[in-house]
Amino acid sequence: EVQLVESGGGLVQPGGSLRLACSSSGFNFHMYAMTWVRQAPGKGLKWVSAISSGDGATYYADSVKGRFTISRDNSNNMVYLQMDSLRAEDTATYYCAKVSGTHGGFYDQWGQGTLVTVSS
Amino acid sequence: EIVLTQSPDFQSVTPKERVTITCRASQSIGRSSHWYQQKPGHSPKLLINYASQSLSGVPSRFSGSGSGTNFTLTINGLEPEDAATYYCHQSSSLPYTFGQGTKLEIK
Repeated sequence: EVQLVESGGGLVQPGGSLRLACSSSGFNFHMYAMTWVRQAPGKGLKWVSAISSGDGATYYADSVKGRFTISRDNSNNMVYLQMDSLRAEDTATYYCAKVSGTHGGFYDQWGQGTLVTVSS
Repeated sequence: EIVLTQSPDFQSVTPKERVTITCRASQSIGRSSHWYQQKPGHSPKLLINYASQSLSGVPSRFSGSGSGTNFTLTINGLEPEDAATYYCHQSSSLPYTFGQGTKLEIK
């Protein structure tokens, strides 16, 4: 059974940092791209970032480029999202998802999400 | 950026009704359109991939169609448990984007 479990969310002040983690199991992690999608309270889904399998190429939404960094540890089946210079508009539930392909595709498995609140 | 526009934003429907949700892309995305269902307090769940590909475990009343810029999710014979928000998503080009969502309320 595929499982994705996010952790690391919480309350942080504007300008602060958080590191989200996503622990994966039940599939050959190194073969698939992984992605982060966020959802502000009461709002829709927004793609944040993705990392491919193999070459580990990274991709970002313009709204987080230069502030967020995605990475993966294939040895431990983990994907991370380092979030710096956080803003109030980054407040959201962050979902980790497995991508169907090595670079892009649909998101066939999702974690339960972790809530990030940016507020003073 | 490819903008996905769903219609309607909200629909109140009765059980057993046939429901159609559309997703229009601002430029052609081929068949790289996918549909997700999200129930309150839950994470999204994949329903349809690449416009019309069904998934094992998804009820057969859910189907998808379309290509290019116009896509449709159809629910034939709505069930009470289908109350949810539905999102389309494109994986054709970066940045990947989602539609704004369509909320289905069951009368």
